[in-house]
Amino acid sequence: DAGVTQSPTHLIKTRGQQVTLRCSPKSGHDTVSWYQQALGQGPQFIFQYYEEEERQRGNFPDRFSGHQFPNYSSELNVNALLLGDSALYLCASSLQGRSGNTIYFGEGSWLTVV
Amino acid sequence: EDQVTQSPEALRLQEGESSSLNCSYTVSGLRGLFWYRQDPGKGPEFLFTLYSAGEEKEKERLKATLTKKESFLHITAPKPEDSATYLCAVTGGGNKLTFGTGTQLKVEL
Repeated sequence: DAGVTQSPTHLIKTRGQQVTLRCSPKSGHDTVSWYQQALGQGPQFIFQYYEEEERQRGNFPDRFSGHQFPNYSSELNVNALLLGDSALYLCASSLQGRSGNTIYFGEGSWLTVV
Repeated sequence: EDQVTQSPEALRLQEGESSSLNCSYTVSGLRGLFWYRQDPGKGPEFLFTLYSAGEEKEKERLKATLTKKESFLHITAPKPEDSATYLCAVTGGGNKLTFGTGTQLKVEL
């Protein structure tokens, strides 16, 4: 049973560029959430996708956008990158309609903005 | 707004020295409290979900408990391989997690 998979694992971008991160949820899960984790901090909720729509959003600017595909996989896009966007980006998968059920995370994508 | 506070920020134990990590929370209608283990450079690894006050769950040397205001992660006779950052998170619904900043645990021989 494949868990949550994310790609790429590491990437380096220049200020002002755009980046796309990808996530495939755990088998049987239909909801994908994205989190940003800065060094020494807990993960911060960015947004959640279910049925190909953004359902909840955290306190992040519009530069952060996403997409969910019919197979439940998801992308996170960040435009006009800032140095402060350097972080570990985590994807979490869960099953909608079962609030509080087990939520699994991928290994993350390390983004460095220079 | 949901809030989670974890203490201590860092904890150093000798192998076999039992201790507890604390997670205090405020949430409007708790739907689940989660404990995760995170190794350096890795994603959080699921440990437990607790749903209501009085609930307890165990896994190997770890035991999680829950009250209406806080949760404890008890570590019994820890080993060096238990060294990691332990994260606590809550959800009030919709599977959106609010995390604490974690407790960095170091277990020494």
